[in-house]
Amino acid sequence: DAGVTQSPTHLIKTRGQQVTLRCSPKSGHDTVSWYQQALGQGPQFIFQYYEEEERQRGNFPDRFSGHQFPNYSSELNVNALLLGDSALYLCASSLPGGEVWTEAFFGQGTRLTVV
Amino acid sequence: AQTVTQSQPEMSVQEAETVTLSCTYDTSESDYYLFWYKQPPSRQMILVIRQEAYKQQNATENRFSVNFQKAAKSFSLKISDSQLGDAAMYFCALQETSGSRLTFGEGTQLTVNP
Repeated sequence: DAGVTQSPTHLIKTRGQQVTLRCSPKSGHDTVSWYQQALGQGPQFIFQYYEEEERQRGNFPDRFSGHQFPNYSSELNVNALLLGDSALYLCASSLPGGEVWTEAFFGQGTRLTVV
Repeated sequence: AQTVTQSQPEMSVQEAETVTLSCTYDTSESDYYLFWYKQPPSRQMILVIRQEAYKQQNATENRFSVNFQKAAKSFSLKISDSQLGDAAMYFCALQETSGSRLTFGEGTQLTVNP
């Protein structure tokens, strides 16, 4: 089992550009969450996808959008990049939850640098 | 809104000694989950220990144990017999329902001295 895989591992973009980050969930998982982790801080929840729909959203502007594909993989898109978007972007996969607790497994992240 | 606070940006411990990391949180829910995650330089978040709020008994996983004080909304992590491999950033996290978003604290950087 490859676990959660994210691509690319590192990325450098120019202010104003657009970026797409990708995540493949752990085998058997159908729920994907995205987090932004600025340097020296804890991860901040961006949004969660389940059944190809955005199920929950954190306090991020509309420049941040996502998509989930029928195979449960997901993309995070950020438009009009700002210097402040520089961060580690983490993807976590899980089952949808319910009565029984389900563990979220994290990928190794994509380090985005905006210059 | 749910919040998590870690007031110790950095901690250090001697190898084989015991260290305690502190965390406080706030939530309006009566049932929720609390976690400690470890993030080594490889950047991947690794779950260390989990506590369900409805359970009075403190969770234990080998050398890792928690002190869960529900009324005080306090959740500390004790690492016994510290090892060099324990050195990492540790995050306290709260989840209000299974499968929902995780809210993380700011993290505590733990150094283990040989």
